[in-house]
Amino acid sequence: GESVGLHLPTLSVQEGDNSIINCAYSNSASDYFIWYKQESGKGPQFIIDIRSNMDKRQGQRVTVLLNKTVKHLSLQIAATQPGDSAVYFCAENRLGYSTLTFGKGTMLLVSP
Amino acid sequence: GAVVSQHPSRVICKSGTSVKIECRSLDFQATTMFWYRQFPKQSLMLMATSNEGSKATYEQGVEKDKFLINHASLTLSTLTVTSAHPEDSSFYICSARGEAGAPETQYFGPGTRLLVL
Repeated sequence: GESVGLHLPTLSVQEGDNSIINCAYSNSASDYFIWYKQESGKGPQFIIDIRSNMDKRQGQRVTVLLNKTVKHLSLQIAATQPGDSAVYFCAENRLGYSTLTFGKGTMLLVSP
Repeated sequence: GAVVSQHPSRVICKSGTSVKIECRSLDFQATTMFWYRQFPKQSLMLMATSNEGSKATYEQGVEKDKFLINHASLTLSTLTVTSAHPEDSSFYICSARGEAGAPETQYFGPGTRLLVL
């Protein structure tokens, strides 16, 4: 059945600030990582991806950093806008597997 | 590119009836489609992996006779919730992987909200 009372980690920022959302992964065999954005009532939307042979990748206003030593992934959003308010999930793919493993998610709240 | 649609977007049904949800990749061929279930304020829970022309692979704890999956073509997969009960009420999301993006990248549909009365 459904669980109630769970709270997503929340990051609250002001419009125009830079946001950093963090994700820890557990499997050292993971070789591909994705960040997704999910707005309320919608499906996850692909933002940016990175392979394990890289430690940084930039997109439009977003940067993903990968630290394999400590198994940490982060998503940086520059000049955060109210439209960036959503839940952000990291996902990892383990080499040789067809499925993605999703993190718990972080809710980003941007106030004007 | 890499657009995935789902239909219906929301459905309300009576307990005991069956509901079919369609997932389509609109602008790419999807060799693999995935079905997820998501409860409020939680992450996505993978239910099954579906490859075109073959039987779906279900995750542990997911009843294959209750959640029937058909992947008849490279652009269409369906999930049928049979004999639905109130505890099946949830947000069901499909994703597709194939020609678009990296081989591992999944592109998601908008989700289907199911409410069983």
